[in-house]
Amino acid sequence: QVQLRGSGPGLVKPSETLSLTCTVSGGSVSSGSNFWSWIRQPPGKGLEWIGYIYNSGSTSYNPSLKSRVSISADTSKNEFSLSLSSVTAADTAVYYCARASGGFLDFSLIIYAFEMWAQGTMVTVSS
Amino acid sequence: EVVLTQSPGTLSLSPGERATLSCRASQSVSSSYLAWYQQKPGQAPRLLIYGASSRATGIPGRFSGSGSGTDFILTISRLEPEDFAVYYCQLYGRSLTFGGGTKVEIK
Repeated sequence: QVQLRGSGPGLVKPSETLSLTCTVSGGSVSSGSNFWSWIRQPPGKGLEWIGYIYNSGSTSYNPSLKSRVSISADTSKNEFSLSLSSVTAADTAVYYCARASGGFLDFSLIIYAFEMWAQGTMVTVSS
Repeated sequence: EVVLTQSPGTLSLSPGERATLSCRASQSVSSSYLAWYQQKPGQAPRLLIYGASSRATGIPGRFSGSGSGTDFILTISRLEPEDFAVYYCQLYGRSLTFGGGTKVEIK
């Protein structure tokens, strides 16, 4: 059974880069049918999809964050990572890593629902 | 971009009662790509329903989903104490977006 574990600093200074890692066990980040994602939730608010990586290198990002986000994978460590640059207080949130399956349908890339989530990592942006 | 609007924002009910949660899309979407999640305080969301009406593995039969086009419903037939939580709908497939959530609280 696939398990995910997120990790990273709980405090980041404004204008710096937030970096988080999600370690995968029981599955492979290089599997072409898995979409490894990041989702965040500001305190007391709803869920916001940040982006995903699949096939170890192909990515898709939320347009509202695209200019500041990068998701990468390290197959040797079986983990994937999130980088969010130029952070502000608005980026304070619980960050979740999650897995969805997916594939191609009628030549379009399709991602399915997030069936596996890690416990979140609370990240506070403050000086 | 499709916007998902959930209503009501808060639902106050007693254990044993029936809960009906609504998720409305700003344009018609495929029911194949509509999911519902449950989130309890301090926990990650848990997938309840996918494809608008299919229960995820291990989800009790009191949870059911329905709908098509722009209107989708999550029904909890008889609320158990552990069902009081926040529920989110989500569109997936070619794009990803969440609704704002409905909190089901004890009356």
